[in-house]
Amino acid sequence: DTAVSQTPKYLVTQMGNDKSIKCEQNLGHDTMYWYKQDSKKFLKIMFSYNNKELIINETVPNRFSPKSPDKAHLNLHINSLELGDSAVYFCASSQGQGPYGSFFGQGTRLTVV
Amino acid sequence: GENVEQHPSTLSVQEGDSAVIKCTYSDSASNYFPWYKQELGKRPQLIIDIRSNVGEKKDQRIAVTLNKTAKHFSLHITETQPEDSAVYFCAPPNGGGNKLTFGTGTQLKVEL
Repeated sequence: DTAVSQTPKYLVTQMGNDKSIKCEQNLGHDTMYWYKQDSKKFLKIMFSYNNKELIINETVPNRFSPKSPDKAHLNLHINSLELGDSAVYFCASSQGQGPYGSFFGQGTRLTVV
Repeated sequence: GENVEQHPSTLSVQEGDSAVIKCTYSDSASNYFPWYKQELGKRPQLIIDIRSNVGEKKDQRIAVTLNKTAKHFSLHITETQPEDSAVYFCAPPNGGGNKLTFGTGTQLKVEL
């Protein structure tokens, strides 16, 4: 059983489209995150949710909107996709409120053409 | 915010040699010091971590040492093997402790 699973694994879409990435964790963790990894491998946090409540919202464009229907799921919706959104997006989860022992999903490679 | 630097950015060693990667952070309130390994096309994977009340931790061939006074911690890999080839990231949380701040990564290559 995959601990943190993301769908889809690959996503190719045109500029201006709206797309969603889904994430589910079966670890019983309380906190979930979205990270973005750019072409230079730099990993940066975007959002975190603790028990469905938004905890961190970094300086991310409003086109990105996370949604957490329950503490096992954190989805990422992106409106009006731009070329610069191309990256690998990782979902992660951790026990408790802190990022200690964060476990990452396999990533979603988003390519905007 | 937390400023995290890793050195070196690339490291090439012969199989069987040791490798050391250093991470320097700025937030003196940081209390958790993890290292992640990311193989090509794969997810970042936690390989070892340490809390601020411990100076060193070892797990088989890998170890982490912490110098809180100097605000740096290091990853040590002994008897390197080709499967150790990957990008390694340190990721100390910010002082608030609610998010990981990743370093710029170190590409380790273990040559036969």
